[in-house]
Amino acid sequence: AQKITQTQPGMFVQEKEAVTLDCTYDTSDPSYGLFWYKQPSSGEMIFLIYQGSYDQQNATEGRYSLNFQKARKSANLVISASQLGDSAMYFCIHSGNTPLVFGKGTRLSVIA
Amino acid sequence: SQTIHQWPATLVQPVGSPLSLECTVEGTSNPNLYWYRQAAGRGLQLLFYSVGIGQISSEVPQNLSASRPQDRQFILSSKKLLLSDSGFYLCAWTRTGSGYTFGSGTRLTVV
Repeated sequence: AQKITQTQPGMFVQEKEAVTLDCTYDTSDPSYGLFWYKQPSSGEMIFLIYQGSYDQQNATEGRYSLNFQKARKSANLVISASQLGDSAMYFCIHSGNTPLVFGKGTRLSVIA
Repeated sequence: SQTIHQWPATLVQPVGSPLSLECTVEGTSNPNLYWYRQAAGRGLQLLFYSVGIGQISSEVPQNLSASRPQDRQFILSSKKLLLSDSGFYLCAWTRTGSGYTFGSGTRLTVV
């Protein structure tokens, strides 16, 4: 069965610094995608970035980039130049032949 | 454009009372619909998903049920709430070839 592991329950980062949120996955799907979503305290889920398993290049979206290492089955999220508004819960999500599989999330706190 | 509506945003219900959470989608047809729950300190867990009217798949046996009376309407229900039903409930939809869109969520507190 598909599984997502986020080993960092909580992270702190200084404002304006970069931070990497870890995500490893286990899948038997030949083709799959990996999402990162942000969940602020309001509870809504905000799409950040998507990586397809056959994409040749790592995905980037503004200050967000995905360090995709397929052989290692990792899809780490890198946030550059952290802002106070980045404080939130971050979920790594697997999308394949089954409904979404979520990691347990990493709570990021940005310190001024 | 496609939108998803989920209500209510917050709900406080006594143990043993019924529950009905509603989710509707606009701007698309025949979406796949999902209900997720996030319990305190835990990740999001898939509860139900539906690929068509009247078609419901349950991922986790529990005190909840789901129904899809119309193509773009997905309802989460319970006849008698338990304390353990407290949590944050998210509705989502997707179609083949498109990403997922989440509702704004319902924070349920059972007292």
